[in-house]
Amino acid sequence: GQSLEQPSEVTAVEGAIVQINCTYQTSGFYGLSWYQQHDGGAPTFLSYNALDGLEETGRFSSFLSRSDSYGYLLLQELQMKDSASYFCAVLNQAGTALIFGKGTTLSVSS
Amino acid sequence: EAQVTQNPRYLITVTGKKLTVTCSQNMNHEYMSWYRQDPGLGLRQIYYSMNVEVTDKGDVPEGYKVSRKEKRNFPLILESPSPNQTSLYFCASSLSVGGQNNVLTFGAGSRLTVL
Repeated sequence: GQSLEQPSEVTAVEGAIVQINCTYQTSGFYGLSWYQQHDGGAPTFLSYNALDGLEETGRFSSFLSRSDSYGYLLLQELQMKDSASYFCAVLNQAGTALIFGKGTTLSVSS
Repeated sequence: EAQVTQNPRYLITVTGKKLTVTCSQNMNHEYMSWYRQDPGLGLRQIYYSMNVEVTDKGDVPEGYKVSRKEKRNFPLILESPSPNQTSLYFCASSLSVGGQNNVLTFGAGSRLTVL
């Protein structure tokens, strides 16, 4: 089966940099995705890594190391609006569903 | 605007009273799925549909039904709701489910309370 581990909570201040780690176990690997969910809202797609390395999208970057079954989401120049839950996700072995980690709640303070 | 629309957004019902949560997408997506989100348990898949011809169970299908009569709609049916189905439900869709196309677009969510 698949399992993903990520920290439950992270706190940071405005302007700082924070890294949210995700380790995964999966029988077949098709890439690592990241989603953001504000309180009471819908999850929204942030990034997808199929190959090793860093993908950058504005203030957010995502990294993948397939040999270590590990990835992280890097958020730079933190803003209050970045306070949200962040989920890593992988496809299940059958390729029929995204399996989500339990999420990391990021709290950004001023 | 490209979106997934769910209704109702909020519903309080009683045990045993059949209900349907509708889901519609306007992006011509083949793949649609239902998730439930519970505190401490994250997002868990209930049912999915690869296309109008293929629908199958996810990880937590007990007590739910779905149908996919047309590409855009994927309703979730609770034939006899029970309190353990109190949850936040999300419908999601994507072009397909593999590779770069597995970007899920989620609906706004439906918060269901079963008394």
